Amino acid sequence: DTAVSQTPKYLVTQMGNDKSIKCEQNLGHDTMYWYKQDSKKFLKIMFSYNNKELIINETVPNRFSPKSPDKAHLNLHINSLELGDSAVYFCASSRPPGLAGGEQFFGPGTRLTVL
Amino acid sequence: DAKTTQPTSMDCAEGRAANLPCNHSTISGNEYVYWYRQIHSQGPQYIIHGLKNNETNEMASLIITEDRKSSTLILPHATLRDTAVYYCIVRVNPSSNTGKLIFGQGTTLQVKP
Repeated sequence: DTAVSQTPKYLVTQMGNDKSIKCEQNLGHDTMYWYKQDSKKFLKIMFSYNNKELIINETVPNRFSPKSPDKAHLNLHINSLELGDSAVYFCASSRPPGLAGGEQFFGPGTRLTVL
Repeated sequence: DAKTTQPTSMDCAEGRAANLPCNHSTISGNEYVYWYRQIHSQGPQYIIHGLKNNETNEMASLIITEDRKSSTLILPHATLRDTAVYYCIVRVNPSSNTGKLIFGQGTTLQVKP
């Protein structure tokens, strides 16, 4: 009964490849996020979707494309992977930001290593 | 969103209270103080948030000064499992923002036996 799940947990790939990370939440939330945590451990938001609509896009390279097939899923596709994309990617979900509280629930992370 | 300043690291003895300070001197009236923590290799975990009144839940207490320029997260009886990086985040009233959380460097709390 995991609240926010991500697959895969680890992903090792070569430069130039295209890969996807999947995220699912069973909390009934309308809003989902992708964060990136780099080697220096700084967590930075990348994208946010509310009810399948993009509401945050933090100047992420267009090689990164989020896709939300439904409210419970937010996948992250990365094209032409580069060494600098190596990081841990966290998915999160929350009730819509317009509601009080709005605490975010994070998944366990996907550690991406680009060789 | 206002910036926050936290000590880089702190130690606490197991069973004692851990008091984690956070300065947010530029906080504005509609900004809330949120605390999250990240245990090694896990996703961040929400702890507590508040506007101006002190708050308490099953995990921790949040004490916000009257001028709201600083706050303290209190873990009343720290255990080894509380060893983590603790993030203090200030963000605008949830009813008017996108939900974006801006994480700083946080405080690494080491609970020692």
